[in-house]
Amino acid sequence: EVQLVESGGGLVQPGGSLRLSCAASGFTFSSYEMNWVRQAPGKGLEWVSYISSSGSTIYYADSVKGRFTISRDNAKNSLYLQMNSLRAEDTAVYYCARVVVGATKIDIWGQGTMVTVSS
Amino acid sequence: DIQMTQSPSSLSASVGDRVTITCRASQSISSYLNWYQQKPGKAPKLLIYAASSLQSGVPSRFSGSGSGTDFTLTISSLQPEDFATYYCQQSYSTPYSTFGPGTKVDIK
Repeated sequence: EVQLVESGGGLVQPGGSLRLSCAASGFTFSSYEMNWVRQAPGKGLEWVSYISSSGSTIYYADSVKGRFTISRDNAKNSLYLQMNSLRAEDTAVYYCARVVVGATKIDIWGQGTMVTVSS
Repeated sequence: DIQMTQSPSSLSASVGDRVTITCRASQSISSYLNWYQQKPGKAPKLLIYAASSLQSGVPSRFSGSGSGTDFTLTISSLQPEDFATYYCQQSYSTPYSTFGPGTKVDIK
């Protein structure tokens, strides 16, 4: 079964850091581009970051650029999101997501992990 | 940035109804438009990609149309499991994709 499982969410104070992980299974992880997408409580979906299959190409939304770092370990079938200088507005469910067809569609989503930034 | 709008923001419908949701892009995005369904507490699920292509495993009562700036998601006969929130997503400027604000479909 094709599956993405996120972990690492939790409660963190403003200015703090958190590292999210996403474990992939059921497909050849190293062949796929990946995204992080987030959803604030009661709000819509926001694309956060993209990484190519090799990890050589990376993009960020302006709202997280300079604070978040996406990475992957293809040997471990894992995707990561290092989040620094966290703000209250980063509070959201974070989804890892597989993209296909030249990154034009997200066909597989994880179940999400909740990040709460609050003092 | 490409902005996406959806209408209506919510609607009430009955089982068996035909439901239509509209999505509009702030500039032409050709057919780079996807539709997702999200149920409470769950991850989104891809329904339609490239404006009108049905994702594998998705019931045929879902269909999509449009190109350029105006797009439509239609559910031909609403089923109990279809009560959810629906989001459009433009992938024209991928990976800088943007989502619409969502349309919540609930029971009348």
